[in-house]
Amino acid sequence: DIVMTQSPDSLAVSLGERATINCKSSQSVLYSSNNKNYLAWYQQKPGQPPKLLIYWASTRESGVPDRFSGSGSGTDFTLTISSLQAEDVAVYYCQQYYSTSYSFGQGTKLEIK
Amino acid sequence: EVQLVESGGGLVQPGGSLRLSCAASGFTFSSYWMSWVRQAPGKGLEWVANIKQDGSEKYYVDSVKGRFTISRDNAKNSLYLQMNSLRAEDTAVYYCARVQQLGHFDYWGQGTLVTVSS
Repeated sequence: DIVMTQSPDSLAVSLGERATINCKSSQSVLYSSNNKNYLAWYQQKPGQPPKLLIYWASTRESGVPDRFSGSGSGTDFTLTISSLQAEDVAVYYCQQYYSTSYSFGQGTKLEIK
Repeated sequence: EVQLVESGGGLVQPGGSLRLSCAASGFTFSSYWMSWVRQAPGKGLEWVANIKQDGSEKYYVDSVKGRFTISRDNAKNSLYLQMNSLRAEDTAVYYCARVQQLGHFDYWGQGTLVTVSS
């Protein structure tokens, strides 16, 4: 099974500053036949279901603000929020779908400093 | 508008059974893989099971294999999760999610809480 590990577990960033969350997979999630990374990012606010932000590692879901971006390939990925807004306070999860047994990272809690 | 509405959660004793349902609307249900994802209180997300459009392929996380069964009724636009031999560690909010393009979840229900306790 593919294990997803996020860092840090929690993060405090000032409003307007950049926030960076990392995600590492125990094996590559890059599918060579189509050169796509099978990696997604979600945002979850308290009492709500998760919301899809990014898929294929760097494709922003429709309606997601462009301050959210995803990067990386193979086993190392990053979610970046370019200018933190108050409404971005949430827990963020990465997820691999390379394997038929999907898996999530443990989550990163993002707060305002 | 895509909607996923879960039901069937509740309190059950260890070793008991429960059947969760997810009613889908606003999209062609029979065209999508579907999944169940759970979240224990205060914990992270855990994928539980997937089912192909026609029900011919199903996948499970190791911890529920042999105890849980995912199924669907495309005529009723409904997804199900039959949970048997429930354990305390199965206590969680269970979400129904639509699978997009082979793996990411683009729509989620609000979840239904399952509590396994004596």
